[in-house]
Amino acid sequence: DTGVSQNPRHKITKRGQNVTFRCDPISEHNRLYWYRQTLGQGPEFLTYFQNEAQLEKSRLLSDRFSAERPKGSFSTLEIQRTEQGDSAMYLCASSFWLSGANVLTFGAGSRLTVL
Amino acid sequence: KNEVEQSPQNLTAQEGEFITINCSYSVGISALHWLQQHPGGGIVSLFMLSSGKKKHGRLIATINIQEKHSSLHITASHPRDSAVYICAAHIQGAQKLVFGQGTRLTINP
Repeated sequence: DTGVSQNPRHKITKRGQNVTFRCDPISEHNRLYWYRQTLGQGPEFLTYFQNEAQLEKSRLLSDRFSAERPKGSFSTLEIQRTEQGDSAMYLCASSFWLSGANVLTFGAGSRLTVL
Repeated sequence: KNEVEQSPQNLTAQEGEFITINCSYSVGISALHWLQQHPGGGIVSLFMLSSGKKKHGRLIATINIQEKHSSLHITASHPRDSAVYICAAHIQGAQKLVFGQGTRLTINP
């Protein structure tokens, strides 16, 4: 396990369809984060897990978005009834604690295009 | 106003030039990260610092906690340094990072 793995790398879907992204973190990392990045912007925080518990959820995350980490290992991010505004890169990161701060390792991202 | 602001948003320079990217933040932080993002989405952590200065190869990162400001410098820039550079602040007491908007750097040969 050499890094954070995200699948699929690209997803093109029609408006109204559901999509699911998967993130496999670094195995020793107990924290897992989802971020969303649109063109020309820095990543925006969506949600965060410690082990299987979802501890924080951004106001950006409407009720069409749901994230799970059922066994404290991989995580899924599902978007229901996709809208064109959901088109973005969805980034996953896992972390460990060092010197009072989280050191994050990012996956390559899953790019969503909603037509 | 974003809690983390970067400048400039875009920077184009010639190979060999000394590059400076600035990051200012308005909240208390426990650490600040400098990240590099190449086209295609992959983000790589360059530095995590909470005080002073760190150096890695041609990259230097500094932070002034009192002034709430950090800089990333690249010496002897090279076209392969072309990427988006993002600063991200680890907010005190919180588990998440707050990101700046990124600086798109283009180094021409």
